[in-house]
Amino acid sequence: EADIYQTPRYLVIGTGKKITLECSQTMGHDKMYWYQQDPGMELHLIHYSYGVNSTEKGDLSSESTVSRIRTEHFPLTLESARPSHTSQYLCASSEHGGRNSPLHFGNGTRLTVT
Amino acid sequence: AQTVTQSQPEMSVQEAETVTLSCTYDTSESDYYLFWYKQPPSRQMILVIRQEAYKQQNATENRFSVNFQKAAKSFSLKISDSQLGDAAMYFCAYKGGAQKLVFGQGTRLTINP
Repeated sequence: EADIYQTPRYLVIGTGKKITLECSQTMGHDKMYWYQQDPGMELHLIHYSYGVNSTEKGDLSSESTVSRIRTEHFPLTLESARPSHTSQYLCASSEHGGRNSPLHFGNGTRLTVT
Repeated sequence: AQTVTQSQPEMSVQEAETVTLSCTYDTSESDYYLFWYKQPPSRQMILVIRQEAYKQQNATENRFSVNFQKAAKSFSLKISDSQLGDAAMYFCAYKGGAQKLVFGQGTRLTINP
C-alpha cells in the first residue's frame, strides 16, 4: 500500500563509485525527507525539502547531496561511496510541514559499500 | 533542542498479553505532536498512533493506546492482546515548531507464541 517508492531496495557497491538512491511519491506531498538508519538503531535526518528547488541539510552531517527538481522526486547522490556510508537510507514525505502531519516512509535502501 | 528517549532497547511479551513501551521526551514547547511508529523487519515504517499535546484524552487505535503525561513528558504505548504481527521495532517521535520529526532510539518488541 506504499505510495512512496525507493529503488534499489538493496545495493552493494565498491569504494569510490558514484551512486544515486531514488525516491518517488505519488501523493503530491510538498515535504520530503531522507533519514539514515544503522540496523536496529534510531533514524537521523540528513536532508529535507519543503518544495521544488528547496533543499536543506538535516541534523546529521552527510557527504551525500540531494535535488528536488520535481515535486514527486527526491534523489540522493553519493559522489564517491566509502565503507562508512554503509547504512539504510529511508525516504519519507508529508502532506505539509505542520506538527500534526505524519511522515509516510518508503521501504528503504540498504546500502553496503565494500 | 528536543530529545526523545526510549529506555527499553528490547521487550518481549507472550502472545495475547499486554505490553507497554516507554518513551520520555524533553522540550520547552507547549504545542507539539507525539507519534509511535512501527518498523517490521525489512518492511516499511508505518504510523501506529499520534497524540496532540493540547489534548488531555489519550489516543486509541484499536489494540494500541497511549498514556500521555504532559507534565512528566512521558508518552508510553500500550499494546493489548499482542499478536505475532506486532513484532517489530517501535519508535517514539516528536514533532514541534521546527517541523522535523525527532526519533527515539527504538524498542525491539518480540512476541512469544
